Amino acid sequence: AQRVTQPEKLLSVFKGAPVELKCNYSYSGSPELFWYVQYSRQRLQLLLRHISRESIKGFTADLNKGETSFHLKKPFAQEEDSAMYYCALRDDDGNTGKLIFGQGTTLQVKP
Amino acid sequence: DTGVSQDPRHKITKRGQNVTFRCDPISEHNRLYWYRQTLGQGPEFLTYFQNEAQLEKSRLLSDRFSAERPKGSFSTLEIQRTEQGDSAMYLCASSQDRVGGYTFGSGTRLTVV
Repeated sequence: AQRVTQPEKLLSVFKGAPVELKCNYSYSGSPELFWYVQYSRQRLQLLLRHISRESIKGFTADLNKGETSFHLKKPFAQEEDSAMYYCALRDDDGNTGKLIFGQGTTLQVKP
Repeated sequence: DTGVSQDPRHKITKRGQNVTFRCDPISEHNRLYWYRQTLGQGPEFLTYFQNEAQLEKSRLLSDRFSAERPKGSFSTLEIQRTEQGDSAMYLCASSQDRVGGYTFGSGTRLTVV
């Protein structure tokens, strides 16, 4: 079954430290993966997607099909990165474009 | 266009009452999605519209739930005979096609007492 797992509910780091938010997926086809972010009192918004191979706000994520992972990384965390992060997998069965989300990881960046 | 709008932001209702939520997507987006999010969980897919056609419903969407998107514009989600287990954040999202990411609304938080 299609599934997204984010093993950490909370990740707490100090400002300037590297960050890695883990995401593992289970999918039988060719996966499309996304990271969404929700800052305090704001709506859920797209951070990046693997097909774009882009870096947004210093974050990158590489799809590793062998390890079925799509971890989100940033070399130097900033306090404004504190937010809830969700990894999502596009479930393309039926061509709906619907997403399967992980449970989310709260990133707390301490000064 | 200010993005995806949802109304109301908060709704408190007594168990057994009916509630209706509204979502106004980005005008040029033909795809519209409803998700539900409970505390400590990620959003879960409920249903999907392409233009005015409802093309998929999750098994999470019991018979008490109904969604419409007349004329392919705004959408409504109605819950009949609400139960305490319906308490959640209901999120609406829209997209132009299946390839890109969604734009989410701020959500409607439902509390059933």
